[in-house]
Amino acid sequence: KAGVTQTPRYLIKTRGQQVTLSCSPISGHRSVSWYQQTPGQGLQFLFEYFSETQRNKGNFPGRFSGRQFSNSRSEMNVSTLELGDSALYLCASSLDLGISGNTIYFGEGSWLTVV
Amino acid sequence: AQSVSQHNHHVILSEAASLELGCNYSYGGTVNLFWYVQYPGQHLQLLLKYFSGDPLVKGIKGFEAEFIKSKFSFNLRKPSVQWSDTAEYFCAVRMVFGPGTRLSVLP
Repeated sequence: KAGVTQTPRYLIKTRGQQVTLSCSPISGHRSVSWYQQTPGQGLQFLFEYFSETQRNKGNFPGRFSGRQFSNSRSEMNVSTLELGDSALYLCASSLDLGISGNTIYFGEGSWLTVV
Repeated sequence: AQSVSQHNHHVILSEAASLELGCNYSYGGTVNLFWYVQYPGQHLQLLLKYFSGDPLVKGIKGFEAEFIKSKFSFNLRKPSVQWSDTAEYFCAVRMVFGPGTRLSVLP
């Protein structure tokens, strides 16, 4: 069974640009969540999507947004990039809502560098 | 607000030493507790989880964790570590993660 797949794996963007990251969950999983991982802040929850609806959101500015498609695939977008947005962005999927305590499975992440 | 704390930022052990990584949480609802591990260059993997029942749970690679409700703790243990256990370990309550503990095992 294929795991959580994230694309692209690595990307470099310039301040002020926007970026879109993609995530394909494990087959059959209906929930997708996103995390930002940095050395200083650790793993911080961004948001969770289930049945194409955002179900839970972390404390990130509105520049961070996401969506989920009918096939459960998800994208997250960061607009007006700042240097501090440089991080590993992790996608995770679960059968049902992760916020309800279901086990979440992580992808390898997308490394974003903002210059 | 939910929060998870991990006692140690970096732990250094010699092979065959025993390991205990501390985790405490603050959460008012039903706790679903997890330990994840991130080996160098690899993605986060589930080590073990506790939902209910026996508070002593066993995971992969000889790891176990004990849920102590009265102490709001979920400590990870392994009786004898190996060099291959070198990794970063994250405790989580539902979707809230602790800051992680880096474990370095010296051969």
